[in-house]
Amino acid sequence: KAGVTQTPRYLIKTRGQQVTLSCSPISGHRSVSWYQQTPGQGLQFLFEYFSETQRNKGNFPGRFSGRQFSNSRSEMNVSTLELGDSALYLCASSFEGSYGYTFGSGTRLTVV
Amino acid sequence: GQQVMQIPQYQHVQEGEDFTTYCNSSTTLSNIQWYKQRPGGHPVFLIQLVKSGEVKKQKRLTFQFGEAKKNSSLHITATQTTDVGTYFCAAPITGGFKTIFGAGTRLFVKA
Repeated sequence: KAGVTQTPRYLIKTRGQQVTLSCSPISGHRSVSWYQQTPGQGLQFLFEYFSETQRNKGNFPGRFSGRQFSNSRSEMNVSTLELGDSALYLCASSFEGSYGYTFGSGTRLTVV
Repeated sequence: GQQVMQIPQYQHVQEGEDFTTYCNSSTTLSNIQWYKQRPGGHPVFLIQLVKSGEVKKQKRLTFQFGEAKKNSSLHITATQTTDVGTYFCAAPITGGFKTIFGAGTRLFVKA
């Protein structure tokens, strides 16, 4: 069974640009969560989607947004990139949402 | 907001020594999960504990959930170099739809 697929794996963007990251969950998993991982802040929750509905959102500015499609694939978007947005963005899927997650390999975003 | 505190932040051990990381919450948890992240990798789910006082073993790893469901520990017996990485505890917040992670314990194993 295929794992969680995140694209792209690496991304370099310039301050002020916007970026879209993609996540394909494990087949049958309807819950998708996004996390930002940085050395100083650890794993910070961005948002969780279930059946195309955002059920929870973390403490991030409105520049961070996401959505989920009917096939459970999810995207997150960051607009007006700042240097501090450089991080590993991880997508995690689960069948229901409160149980063990399967993480993707992440997208390493570097903002220059 | 709700947090899970994890200690220690780092642990250096000699291969063959034991290792333990602890996770604490001020609120009762519905369940606690443990993950391992190898250097350069992504978190990998190890186990979930649900019941008060639950103890589960996976080979050299022993996981415990406290009686009050507010703390948990992961113990590795006779560490090996393959155990190197960061171990995270995680728990869903009250109300659901969000899982919060501890800061992680980074394990270094010297051969």
